[in-house]
Order: sequence, then structure tokens, then C-alpha cells
Amino acid sequence: EVQLLESGGSLVQPGGSLRLSCAASGFAFSTYAMNWVRQAPGKGLEWVSAISDDGNSPYYIDSVRGRFIISRDNSRNTLYLQMNSLRAEDTAVYYCARRKIHFDWWGQGTLVTVSS
Amino acid sequence: DIVMTQSPDSLAVSLGERATINCKSSQSVLSTSNNKNFLAWYQQKPGQPPKALIYWASTRESGVPERFSGSGSGTDFTLTISSLQAEDVAVYYCQQYYTTPTFGGGTKVQI
Repeated sequence: EVQLLESGGSLVQPGGSLRLSCAASGFAFSTYAMNWVRQAPGKGLEWVSAISDDGNSPYYIDSVRGRFIISRDNSRNTLYLQMNSLRAEDTAVYYCARRKIHFDWWGQGTLVTVSS
Repeated sequence: DIVMTQSPDSLAVSLGERATINCKSSQSVLSTSNNKNFLAWYQQKPGQPPKALIYWASTRESGVPERFSGSGSGTDFTLTISSLQAEDVAVYYCQQYYTTPTFGGGTKVQI
């Protein structure tokens, strides 16, 4: 069975850093592009970042470019999101999602709260 | 970026009745290379992650009940629940994946 398990979310002060992880199992991880999508409390979905199946091509929404870094380790079936210079508006549940065509499988999410 | 606009924001439907959700994109998401619309629909129940329902505007995911159907092309799309069941109470999102992915604002379906 396909599983995506996010971890690493927590309470962090503005300007701080956090690294999220997404452990994948039940499918050929190295053949899928992977994504991070976030959802602020009570709000809708916002795509944040994507990375190609081989890890060579990262993509970002403008509001996080230069602050967040997406990466993956195909030998460990794990996706990462390094989040730096965090702002209050980054507060959200962060989901990892796999993509072949659309986002066909999502993890349960991990909550990031940026507050002093 | 392509802006996705959903309507209505919420709707209340009686059990067994039809629910219709609209989604409009700010530019066409129809690819001339494969003649497919790069449009998906997702269902999100409270406290759960989104679940994919439909892709290519009208192709149901495996296991999704037949009462869910998608239609439309170009810039105008519709998700229809033909006979609403209690378990269909959720927020529904459309998404384009023609360019950098963007989502509609969501439609809350209640009974």
C-alpha cells in the first residue's frame, strides 16, 4: 500500500528554520515527481514546491523561493523541505504529494507554526 | 499563474439530490499536444488530507464511486455528484496542472 509519512513540523520563531521529511513506501519512489502542498488554518490548498524524479529539477512558488529548499534521497525513499527565514504566513499543515499526472496520493500532513 | 475560481463557495444539498460545483480557469488548460484538459478534482474531509477524485477533467480515480463525474473543457469545468450521500460532505477543490499547479478556493458541500 502506498504510504507517505511527513514529520518535522513544530512551533518555531519567526526567522527560524525547520526541516520537513516525507518517508515514502509502497511504490517506486524514484519514478515519481514529488511535491509539497500547504494549507493554512481554515484556508485552501497552496502548492509550495516540486522536485523531479531524479532530484535535478526543483521548482518553487515565488513566496518561498530563496528561503525553502526541496530535495530528495531516492536511496532512502525520502523527500525533504528545508525551510529557512520562516515567517508567520508560512504557518500551515504541509503535505507531501506524489505526482505522475496529478497529485494522486497525499500524506497526512505535518503542522508548522511560526510564532513568537 | 493560472487563477482557478470555484463557485459556489458552499452549497447545501438534500440526500439523494444532485450537487454541482463549477470551476473556471483564467486561461485554457487544454493541451493541443494531447487534446487533454490538465484539470483535477479533490475531496477533503475534515481533519484528512485531500483525496484525488478526477483527473484529465473527466477520468475517475480507481475506486471513486460512479456518482462523481467531471466535465468541461478549456476554461470551464464542472464536478457533479449525481446522488449525494452522507459521506460526500466535504470541501471540493479543482486544480490545474497545465502550468505551475494552482487550486481553486474550494466548495464546501453540506447536507
